[in-house]
Amino acid sequence: EVQLVETGGDLIQPGGSLRLSCAASGFTVSSHYMGWVRQAPGKGLEWVSIIYPGNSTNYADSVKGRFSISRDNSKNTLSLQMNSLRPEDTAVYYCVRGRLSGELWFGYWGQGTLVTVSS
Amino acid sequence: EIVLTQSPATLSLSPGERATLSCRASQGVSSYLAWYRQKPGQAPRLLIYGASNRATGIPARVSGSGSGTDFTLTISSLEPEDVAVYYCHQRSEWPLTFGQGTRLEIK
Repeated sequence: EVQLVETGGDLIQPGGSLRLSCAASGFTVSSHYMGWVRQAPGKGLEWVSIIYPGNSTNYADSVKGRFSISRDNSKNTLSLQMNSLRPEDTAVYYCVRGRLSGELWFGYWGQGTLVTVSS
Repeated sequence: EIVLTQSPATLSLSPGERATLSCRASQGVSSYLAWYRQKPGQAPRLLIYGASNRATGIPARVSGSGSGTDFTLTISSLEPEDVAVYYCHQRSEWPLTFGQGTRLEIK
């Protein structure tokens, strides 16, 4: 069974850094598109970042240069390093996986982890 | 970026009625469109991908149609469990984008 479990959400001051992790089970992270989608409180969904099976990455303009996505194949985990955090980064962050190997539809979602950026 | 506009913002229908949700793209996305359902307090779930393909476990009363710029999600006979916010999503071009959502209420 495919499972995605996010951890690392916290209350952080503006300008601070935070690292989110997503522990995957039931599949190998290196074989799939993996990414992050966020949802600000009471708002809609916003795509944040993607890492391809071949290790290429892509980012939303709103986080480019501040966030970095990576994968640890030995631990079967996905991470999101978030630097220079802003209040507008406050959101639930969902770890997502492509529906099938090599496919980009977000077929699997974690339960989310809340990041709050506030002084 | 491609803007997805969903309508209506809120839809209130009775059990057994048909729900028709619309998603319009600011430019053509071919069939690279998906629909997700997010029930209160839960993560989103993929319903439809490639404009018209049902994801695993999605019942036949849920269907998707359209291509290019105009897409429709239809739920043929509403059940109380369908209460949720529904989002469309395109992967035709970067950045990936979502619509703002349609809230479906059951009377």
